[in-house]
Amino acid sequence: KNEVEQSPQNLTAQEGEFITINCSYSVGISALHWLQQHPGGGIVSLFMLSSGKKKHGRLIATINIQEKHSSLHITASHPRDSAVYICAARPVNTDKLIFGTGTRLQVFP
Amino acid sequence: GAVVSQHPSWVICKSGTSVKIECRSLDFQATTMFWYRQFPKQSLMLMATSNEGSKATYEQGVEKDKFLINHASLTLSTLTVTSAHPEDSSFYICSAPRGGAQKPQHFGDGTRLSIL
Repeated sequence: KNEVEQSPQNLTAQEGEFITINCSYSVGISALHWLQQHPGGGIVSLFMLSSGKKKHGRLIATINIQEKHSSLHITASHPRDSAVYICAARPVNTDKLIFGTGTRLQVFP
Repeated sequence: GAVVSQHPSWVICKSGTSVKIECRSLDFQATTMFWYRQFPKQSLMLMATSNEGSKATYEQGVEKDKFLINHASLTLSTLTVTSAHPEDSSFYICSAPRGGAQKPQHFGDGTRLSIL
C-alpha cells in the first residue's frame, strides 16, 4: 500500500462543474503539497498546507491532520484546468516528498 | 515566470552516451535541490538530494555511480546519467525549495531523455 493515495485516478467533467480530488496519507507529516503537472511535464506548486484551508482563485485545498486526509477542490472548472494533479506529503523530520500517483483531470467544454 | 530552469528539455542519444542535465535556481540560492524520475503515467520518484558543498544523498536502489550529481554552486545542480542505456529513458525533473527546505518547492520543466 502506498503511503500517499489519491482518488480518483482519472476524472472527466463538463466545464463549470465542481471538482474534488482526494488524498490520504499514512505517515506523520509536516506539510502536504498539491501540484499540477501539465501535459508537457512541467510541474507547478499549487498549495503547501499543514492545517486548515487555503484558497487561490478557483482552487481550494483543505487538510484534516487527525484523519490524515486532504482535498483539492476546483470551482467552476474550465478546460484549461485539464492536467494531472498530484498530492505530495512531506514526512516529519525530512525534506523529502512522497508523491501520490496523481489524478488525471479532463474538463470538456 | 520560472524560478527554476532545467536544461535541456529533451534529449535523444545513443546507448553508451553520458548525458548531463542542469537545474538552476534563477533568482534565489538553493543549498538543497532534489532530483526525481518519472516513468509514463507513474508518480514522481525521488532519486537523490543534491547538497551544495557536500555529497548528494541517494535514495535506496539508485546507483550513485550511474547518476552523478554535482551541486557546483548555490544556484546550480547537475545530474549526469553515465553510459546511458534504453532503460534509463525517462522524464527527469528537479526541484528546489525557495527560502529553505521547509518552504514550497519550485520545479523545473523536466528533461525527457530517450536512449536509442
